[in-house]
Amino acid sequence: AQSVTQPDIHITVSEGASLELRCNYSYGATPYLFWYVQSPGQGLQLLLKYFSGDTLVQGIKGFEAEFKRSQSSFNLRKPSVHWSDAAEYFCAVGARTSYDKVIFGPGTSLSVIP
Amino acid sequence: DVKVTQSSRYLVKRTGEKVFLECVQDMDHENMFWYRQDPGLGLRLIYFSYDVKMKEKGDIPEGYSVSREKKERFSLILESASTNQTSMYLCASRTGSNTGELFFGEGSRLTVL
Repeated sequence: AQSVTQPDIHITVSEGASLELRCNYSYGATPYLFWYVQSPGQGLQLLLKYFSGDTLVQGIKGFEAEFKRSQSSFNLRKPSVHWSDAAEYFCAVGARTSYDKVIFGPGTSLSVIP
Repeated sequence: DVKVTQSSRYLVKRTGEKVFLECVQDMDHENMFWYRQDPGLGLRLIYFSYDVKMKEKGDIPEGYSVSREKKERFSLILESASTNQTSMYLCASRTGSNTGELFFGEGSRLTVL
């Protein structure tokens, strides 16, 4: 069964600073990997996803993530954070077998200082 | 535009009551999911359905059941609500492909007194 850890419960960055949110997964094969964002009072929105090919994937809102098989990681990055990026970020892993589930990590809460 | 609608944004129920949470999607998606979201625990999968009348247990199915009689509707049922089921419940849908994006509703916040 797959699992996801996000080591940082809460991160605070200054506006304009760079950001990296960590995600580690456990799965027996190459998984499908996702990052979702949840703004206050909103549902979750997909930022980006990785299935195969280029290990650096680009997403919406200027985010990118890099899949590193050797480290079982899929860290999310943004070069310059905006105040509107303050939200909860969730890493998720899906299995490659049919009819299978998507498992989410505990989330990282991001605060942005003006 | 894609839409996942959860019928109730806020509910307050008493211990022992039967609770129905309804979710409807308008995208003709095969897969539907119910998660509960709690601070520090993220989203935990309760049940999912990959087709009409089909269901699979997630990681925390105890105390819950589901119904999917029509493709667009996926209901979560708490047979006898308990205080530890106070939570935010999120419904999501997806195409039949494992690579598909999950589309989420806005959530139903349930308080059990």
